Amino acid sequence: QKEVEQDPGPLSVPEGAIVSLNCTYSNSAFQYFMWYRQYSRKGPELLMYTYSSGNKEDGRFTAQVDKSSKYISLFIRDSQPSDSATYLCAMIRNSGNTPLVFGKGTRLSVIA
Amino acid sequence: DSGVTQTPKHLITATGQRVTLRCSPRSGDLSVYWYQQSLDQGLQFLIQYYNGEERAKGNILERFSAQQFPDLHSELNLSSLELGDSALYFCASSVDGTGSGEQFFGPGTRLTVL
Repeated sequence: QKEVEQDPGPLSVPEGAIVSLNCTYSNSAFQYFMWYRQYSRKGPELLMYTYSSGNKEDGRFTAQVDKSSKYISLFIRDSQPSDSATYLCAMIRNSGNTPLVFGKGTRLSVIA
Repeated sequence: DSGVTQTPKHLITATGQRVTLRCSPRSGDLSVYWYQQSLDQGLQFLIQYYNGEERAKGNILERFSAQQFPDLHSELNLSSLELGDSALYFCASSVDGTGSGEQFFGPGTRLTVL
């Protein structure tokens, strides 16, 4: 079993829809959780960063972490064509010399 | 623009050859990370340097090596290249060395091994 599982999609939604992207993980030692957005032929850019369980909101984006279920989500409200990209979840065990572990990414297309 | 630069953007070479990828971190960042991204494996951590010293090692092959120079730029050397080494190689940088801070990614180098 891979440490981090993420459905690769592709996911296609109409403009204005609410998008839900998810990852599951197997290692309960993960403490920091992130979502990166990667446009085609570009490097990943950090969207959301959360520590431990709970919700975090930033504009149209909401990140949720449920450590008891080992499940993290990213919600995008009022999705726009410019949100079309690959979304990667990433997590890290704790501070101190442990690398980021990424999901394989979910490809999202928002259709105008 | 993340502030991380990588050169070259594209590299096409033959099996058995050796290449060097270069990365300049954001101003003020002391840590540099190297990642390999392929379609089947996703984004895989290779190695991290912090202020010139190797800090963490991931799934880096013995044919690959890296270093970070006093001016904090880093180079990733790939030798005895195989077809399977064709991938996107990303460099990221961060202020601290813990790995838990935000990492800023460069635009990547696309390596094609023929």
